[in-house]
Amino acid sequence: EIVLTQSPGTLSLSPGERATLSCRASRSVSTSYLAWYQQKPGQAPRLLIYGASMRPTGIPDRFRGSGSETDFTLTISRVEPEDFAVYYCQQYGSSSLTFGGGTKVEIK
Amino acid sequence: QVQLQESGPGLVKPSETLSLTCTVSGYDVSSGYHWGWVRQPPGKGLEWIGNIYYRGNTYYNPSLTSRVTISLDTSKNRFSLRLTSVTAADTAVYYCARAQGSSGSYLGYWGQGTLVTVSS
Repeated sequence: EIVLTQSPGTLSLSPGERATLSCRASRSVSTSYLAWYQQKPGQAPRLLIYGASMRPTGIPDRFRGSGSETDFTLTISRVEPEDFAVYYCQQYGSSSLTFGGGTKVEIK
Repeated sequence: QVQLQESGPGLVKPSETLSLTCTVSGYDVSSGYHWGWVRQPPGKGLEWIGNIYYRGNTYYNPSLTSRVTISLDTSKNRFSLRLTSVTAADTAVYYCARAQGSSGSYLGYWGQGTLVTVSS
């Protein structure tokens, strides 16, 4: 089973700052099979990025996914007030999905 | 617009079976995609439980496979989760979702989630 480790655990930022979230895999992950989700309190997760760098319709372009093999990054170019939330990476492999532990982006 | 809605008991006794249903609107579950379940214990992260392909193939989290069954009911456009021999560790918000991409590799549409508490 591939283990995903997200860092940092918590990121404290002011609105307008750049956010860089890391997701490291214990083994290589196909870029086709890496996704990112945003979850706000009391809500279901929302798909932000799939295929490591693809944005679904309706996701703002300030969210950018990048990376390959074992190192993936989610960047929020300028954090908006509505972006304060928990972010999870997720991989697919061997017919199973696994999630990282999450990074909380909080207001500084 | 695809919508998913979980339903089922909010309280289950230890050692009993947890049963949840996800009713889908806006898409015919027999037409395609994988359909899956994810859970989240209070204050913790996400855990994938399993998926079912529209043709009936099932895929389960190895840590839960001995206790989990996911099934599809195309006549009612819904799919279901059964988790046997539950303990307090199974207390969580349970989400249903539509898995998209190659092999159902990511979860594009989610239900709002339902809290299931395991307690006597």
